[in-house]
Amino acid sequence: DARVTQTPRHKVTEMGQEVTMRCQPILGHNTVFWYRQTMMQGLELLAYFRNRAPLDDSGMPKDRFSAEMPDATLATLKIQPSEPRDSAVYFCASGFIGEQYFGPGTRLTVT
Amino acid sequence: LAKTTQPISMDSYEGQEVNITCSHNNIATNDYITWYQQFPSQGPRFIIQGYKTKVTNEVASLFIPADRKSSTLSLPRVSLSDTAVYYCLVATTSGTYKYIFGTGTRLKVLA
Repeated sequence: DARVTQTPRHKVTEMGQEVTMRCQPILGHNTVFWYRQTMMQGLELLAYFRNRAPLDDSGMPKDRFSAEMPDATLATLKIQPSEPRDSAVYFCASGFIGEQYFGPGTRLTVT
Repeated sequence: LAKTTQPISMDSYEGQEVNITCSHNNIATNDYITWYQQFPSQGPRFIIQGYKTKVTNEVASLFIPADRKSSTLSLPRVSLSDTAVYYCLVATTSGTYKYIFGTGTRLKVLA
């Protein structure tokens, strides 16, 4: 049963520190997404890749967030420097048009 | 972009059929309609996707009228384990993909 995996599952860090979240998409899926979920904003699309090429990152604060996909088995989301308002659950998903399979998420707390 | 509108919450009893309607008035020709289910502390789970008329799988049915300005997710004979948040998503395939999750419908199934 193929699944999207994410590491770490939980991360607590201090304001100003760099945070890197990793995702292993399902093999064969050509689109990878990064989402952020908070109680106030719900699910927000941050960025996505298609065939490893970044297609849209308009949902990300460009000055501090960056997303990359160095190879087909790894996608990363980096926050530098982190701020308390970045506290959220970050989901990675892979799939195709509309049909996305989500990972378990990384719960980030920035103090 | 097609914005979606769903009821905030619904209650049902075990064994009943539940219908959740999503409004997407600005849906475009190339857009697909997808529904997801999310349990607490988990990522959303793909349920069903459709373009027009009716789609059925082992979990649910999706009804889309001819004008495609709304869609209805139908869950037959719900159980307590169907208590979750259900999201309607319109996925645009014109140009770069755009994925906008609505606020979701919190379904509570009562014994």
